[in-house]
Amino acid sequence: DAKTTQPPSMDCAEGRAANLPCNHSTISGNEYVYWYRQIHSQGPQYIIHGLKNNETNEMASLIITEDRKSSTLILPHATLRDTAVYYCIVRIANTGNQFYFGTGTSLTVIP
Amino acid sequence: ETGVTQTPRHLVMGMTNKKSLKCEQHLGHNAMYWYKQSAKKPLELMFVYSLEERVENNSVPSRFSPECPNSSHLFLHLHTLQPEDSALYLCASSQEPGRKNIQYFGAGTRLSVL
Repeated sequence: DAKTTQPPSMDCAEGRAANLPCNHSTISGNEYVYWYRQIHSQGPQYIIHGLKNNETNEMASLIITEDRKSSTLILPHATLRDTAVYYCIVRIANTGNQFYFGTGTSLTVIP
Repeated sequence: ETGVTQTPRHLVMGMTNKKSLKCEQHLGHNAMYWYKQSAKKPLELMFVYSLEERVENNSVPSRFSPECPNSSHLFLHLHTLQPEDSALYLCASSQEPGRKNIQYFGAGTRLSVL
């Protein structure tokens, strides 16, 4: 199983870019990187996913290193509503629908 | 609104009670999931249903009994629970099993077992 390592917590000033790192050094070639977030006491919310190319959508950008051993989720202009726990997940191979969420990074956006 | 609705949002039950959690998805998905999230712990996958058949059961105690009568509805039947079963129970759905599937979660049921 490709596990992920994330810092337990981060702060970011409102309006600035939030850059959330994730290490997944044991990722295999056919595994995707997914990012979800969970606002307190709510269900996780899908943000973005990618295989090896950088991806961008209306919520965030995902930068994956060339060796695929790490990635960074970028929230370009953080707001107070972005305060949440952010999970970097690598899809576990050969087990169908398994998602291992880990403990994530608790992001606090400061006014 | 994610298109996945869970009821009730909060539930308090005694150890001898029988209750059921309900999940309904309005996304046309054909896979549904139950997760458990205890305080300060990662989400734990409990059950997976694909095309209304159970395809995953992660060593969950028999006091938790899932039911998937159709692709839009998922239930979790609870009986003789223990206080350590108090947690946030989350339901999710996805379009199909597979490498690219994206799971959409409900808001969860906060369960307290007294």
